[in-house]
Amino acid sequence: KAGVTQTPRYLIKTRGQQVTLSCSPISGHRSVSWYQQTPGQGLQFLFEYFSETQRNKGNFPGRFSGRQFSNSRSEMNVSTLELGDSALYLCASSSPRGANQPQHFGDGTRLSIL
Amino acid sequence: AQKVTQAQTEISVVEKEDVTLDCVYETRDTTYYLFWYKQPPSGELVFLIRRNSFDEQNEISGRYSWNFQKSTSSFNFTITASQVVDSAVYFCALSEEETSGSRLTFGEGTQLTVNP
Repeated sequence: KAGVTQTPRYLIKTRGQQVTLSCSPISGHRSVSWYQQTPGQGLQFLFEYFSETQRNKGNFPGRFSGRQFSNSRSEMNVSTLELGDSALYLCASSSPRGANQPQHFGDGTRLSIL
Repeated sequence: AQKVTQAQTEISVVEKEDVTLDCVYETRDTTYYLFWYKQPPSGELVFLIRRNSFDEQNEISGRYSWNFQKSTSSFNFTITASQVVDSAVYFCALSEEETSGSRLTFGEGTQLTVNP
């Protein structure tokens, strides 16, 4: 069974640009969550999608948005990039949805802002 | 508010030594779940173990064991006879049934280095 797939693996952008990251969950998993990992703030929850609806949201500005498609694939978008957005962005999927479910993570997308 | 603390930033041991990673958590929920994840240099977080708040039975699985104590809000993880391949960053995480649902709150992580 294929794991969580995130594309691209690496991205370099400049300040003010926008970026879209993609995540394909494990087949059959309908819950997809996104996390940001930085050396200073550690691992922080961004948002969770289930059945194409955002179910949970972390404490991030509106520049961070996401969506989920009918096949459970998810995208995350960051607009007006700032230097502080440089991070490893991790996607996780689970099934079924719930606080007791282990989440299965992808390798992440490493975003660098110049 | 929920919080997870891993006081040990880095641990270095020699192969075959036993090592314990500490985790202390805070939560107001009565039903919650604790997890340990391993992050090798490749970046992927690998799920290791889950414990729920009403099951304090400790467990041993191969070289891994877990000690969950609600009285001290601790969920410690021990690797017996460590190996070089165990070198990674280990994260303790918490989710809450009522307050945060499937959202995971992570500790700061402990970098474990096992030297040959």
